Amino acid sequence: ETGVTQTPRHLVMGMTNKKSLKCEQHLGHNAMYWYKQSAKKPLELMFVYSLEERVENNSVPSRFSPECPNSSHLFLHLHTLQPEDSALYLCASSQDKGASNEKLFFGSGTQLSVL
Amino acid sequence: QKEVEQNSGPLSVPEGAIASLNCTYSDRGSQSFFWYRQYSGKSPELIMFIYSNGDKEDGRFTAQLNKASQYVSLLIRDSQPSDSATYLCAVKNYGQNFVFGPGTRLSVLP
Repeated sequence: ETGVTQTPRHLVMGMTNKKSLKCEQHLGHNAMYWYKQSAKKPLELMFVYSLEERVENNSVPSRFSPECPNSSHLFLHLHTLQPEDSALYLCASSQDKGASNEKLFFGSGTQLSVL
Repeated sequence: QKEVEQNSGPLSVPEGAIASLNCTYSDRGSQSFFWYRQYSGKSPELIMFIYSNGDKEDGRFTAQLNKASQYVSLLIRDSQPSDSATYLCAVKNYGQNFVFGPGTRLSVLP
């Protein structure tokens, strides 16, 4: 398997549920990202991990909790979400975060609906 | 606030025509420029990147960069219905995160 894989592809959850999104990259990269994509809005950066250390948290509500156990795996734990959190959540990876030739590669995304 | 602007479209072109997608950015220090294609319900896919002023060609795609005007464009020659998608422009400065535009929706009409 190659590239960046995300599971599940679709998720419907109630506001009181707890769920987790999973991302795995097979590219040998050392940085991983969570982005949120809402309709007609630019991609919003949520979290960045570089060499398994969280290096950025873009004022994301605490109901979103990331976890990066190693350089190949990234999770986003969700609890007590709000309907406005419904969006496409994209995982991405790159090599050498910050380098001028850094390129982002995205997973297939999780389409999340919060009821 | 660093911004990347794109016309949201839809941009409609007939099959076989040249599609021209444009992007402007606010951070004059930006060094790397990217075009991603995103089909409906799918994730963004990197199709072009450019670092230097001028043109860069890859098959039917040409990226054009003008740093003085803070402008980057993507030309798609011989447009096909399969090119119908949203095209995201992304800009990056050294040591900083990617900044994405809202995307331009392209529709290629058979």
